[in-house]
Amino acid sequence: QKEVEQNSGPLSVPEGAIASLNCTYSDRVSQSFFWYRQYSGKSPELIMSIYSNGDKEDGRFTAQLNKASQYVSLLIRDSQPSDSATYLCAVNLRGSGNTPLVFGKGTRLSVIA
Amino acid sequence: KAGVTQTPRYLIKTRGQQVTLSCSPISGHRSVSWYQQTPGQGLQFLFEYFSETQRNKGNFPGRFSGRQFSNSRSEMNVSTLELGDSALYLCASSLGPGGTDTQYFGPGTRLTVL
Repeated sequence: QKEVEQNSGPLSVPEGAIASLNCTYSDRVSQSFFWYRQYSGKSPELIMSIYSNGDKEDGRFTAQLNKASQYVSLLIRDSQPSDSATYLCAVNLRGSGNTPLVFGKGTRLSVIA
Repeated sequence: KAGVTQTPRYLIKTRGQQVTLSCSPISGHRSVSWYQQTPGQGLQFLFEYFSETQRNKGNFPGRFSGRQFSNSRSEMNVSTLELGDSALYLCASSLGPGGTDTQYFGPGTRLTVL
């Protein structure tokens, strides 16, 4: 199993809909989880981090973490064409400061006006 | 607070040459991680420096090296460039080492090897 997996997409949703992006990871001891957004030709920018099981909301974005099932997801409510980008999931797999973040290959989201 | 800066932003080199890229982290951040991003491979971890020490290294050949200075600025060097080294090189800074703290990315250096 790859360490951090994401569906590459493209995921197409109509404007105003909820976009759901998923990420699974391989190591049960993982403690830190991050979602980044990357526009074409630009560098990744942080959307949010999540460390505990459950939901974390920030504006139109909600991160959901389920450590037992080893997945983390990102929901984007009221999707806008400006949300069209690649979304990267990153996980600190070993749960320590001695291992680097591991990134998934990203899911490309397209919001259709 | 100023963000992560990288210089140069664009670079064109020929095979066999070497290149040095620079990264200045966010003030107060002591960890700098370097990544290579290509369309097919996504973000690949190169190495991480914390307090001038390399803490982690990715699966790249020895042609890729780096260092960190006492002011936390970091450089990476690629010697004997190959066509396959063409990529976007990103650095990211964080307060602490490893992947526990949030990493903030610079704008990247786009390297083209001809």
